[in-house]
Amino acid sequence: DGGITQSPKYLFRKEGQNVTLSCEQNLNHDAMYWYRQDPGQGLRLIYYSQIVNDFQKGDIAEGYSVSREKKESFPLTVTSAQKNPTAFYLCASTSSSTNEKLFFGSGTQLSVL
Amino acid sequence: KNQVEQSPQSLIILEGKNCTLQCNYTVSPFSNLRWYKQDTGRGPVSLTIMTFSENTKSNGRYTATLDADTKQSSLHITASQLSDSASYICVVSARSAGKSTFGDGTTLTVKP
Repeated sequence: DGGITQSPKYLFRKEGQNVTLSCEQNLNHDAMYWYRQDPGQGLRLIYYSQIVNDFQKGDIAEGYSVSREKKESFPLTVTSAQKNPTAFYLCASTSSSTNEKLFFGSGTQLSVL
Repeated sequence: KNQVEQSPQSLIILEGKNCTLQCNYTVSPFSNLRWYKQDTGRGPVSLTIMTFSENTKSNGRYTATLDADTKQSSLHITASQLSDSASYICVVSARSAGKSTFGDGTTLTVKP
């Protein structure tokens, strides 16, 4: 089955800890995105990548980091600098960067212990 | 600044009834508008995508309309089912690569 897979489904972070959220896609998509969703609010863009080894900051990149070493993978690290990390994180991909349909993963719920 | 506003914020209807969700946008230059359905704790799934020249597009019981002049879109759900309970998100893209603007969503609850 082609698709986009996020793991884990639930993640807990301790104070001062960095955590990494996984996002893998086998759709052969060039562009990948990370969004943050807070209750009752719209999705906000954290980082996006249009090609391998290149990525750009979105609207709320502070406290987060990404890498794009492989076309299939776009992991997101939530660093200790992100003081309010509790949220639902969504990864998405498209076949190109020209505003085509986004395919979303099933999300990771991150909570602070 | 590109913005997408959805209304109402939440809606409760009885099973079998119809409803209409609204989306107003100020994204420019306009490329396309998409409606997504998001079940609780899941990722959004695309329902429809509309370009500038399209006025109406249907996907089963879902019908989206677009008025590019007034920059408004609506999503009409016919004969609602319990499984329609979800958040419906309007997403508008400009004719520049990379980013889309998301509305805050309308939370629909269908009751038996």
